[in-house]
Amino acid sequence: DQQVKQNSPSLSVQEGRISILNCDYTNSMFDYFLWYKKYPAEGPTFLISISSIKDKNEDGRFTVFLNKSAKHLSLHIVPSQPGDSAVYFCAARIQGAQKLVFGQGTRLTINP
Amino acid sequence: GAGVSQTPSNKVTEKGKYVELRCDPISGHTALYWYRQSLGQGPEFLIYFQGTGAADDSGLPNDRFFAVRPEGSVSTLKIQRTERGDSAVYLCASSRGLAGVNEQFFGPGTRLTVL
Repeated sequence: DQQVKQNSPSLSVQEGRISILNCDYTNSMFDYFLWYKKYPAEGPTFLISISSIKDKNEDGRFTVFLNKSAKHLSLHIVPSQPGDSAVYFCAARIQGAQKLVFGQGTRLTINP
Repeated sequence: GAGVSQTPSNKVTEKGKYVELRCDPISGHTALYWYRQSLGQGPEFLIYFQGTGAADDSGLPNDRFFAVRPEGSVSTLKIQRTERGDSAVYLCASSRGLAGVNEQFFGPGTRLTVL
């Protein structure tokens, strides 16, 4: 039972344009959502999070949008840079717990 | 400061053998987590420690898997009678363990291959 789903295994975007990564979830008990970025041979690195009571959180080039009615969140990166090429994981935390539930990941490639 | 470190970085073993994977969390982090990442998948939760005690071990797949954190710092994940299906990258993370959402800092992982 995949509670957090990233349906696009890969995404290719031109440098300078906007990258939009999507994530869907099924569990209404998630209270925080997080995005992690992973380079090869490294552990995931935290990027940005959003509480379930918010619908938007922005940090520099990164913005996360949450649509609770659709159980959908997205990460926007603008402008995209070559160093953004990595695998991006969406994760969610169940209310009252500390463990994270991860999606399968989306490989983002930024083309010069 | 130093991040989360994991040793070894790679471990190759034979089916049926016993393995230990070590995690050194960030100094001062009271919470420690183990995850397992199979090829093409996201990390999957195994166990969470708050201090020395396992606060949530609901992700351990069976009784061949066990983890300890005797002094509230370093943790060891132990796998008995390894099977080929145990092959994966085992990730350790730590956080401050405070109330509310705490950013989890991940180590580079240990790649376990069971032949």
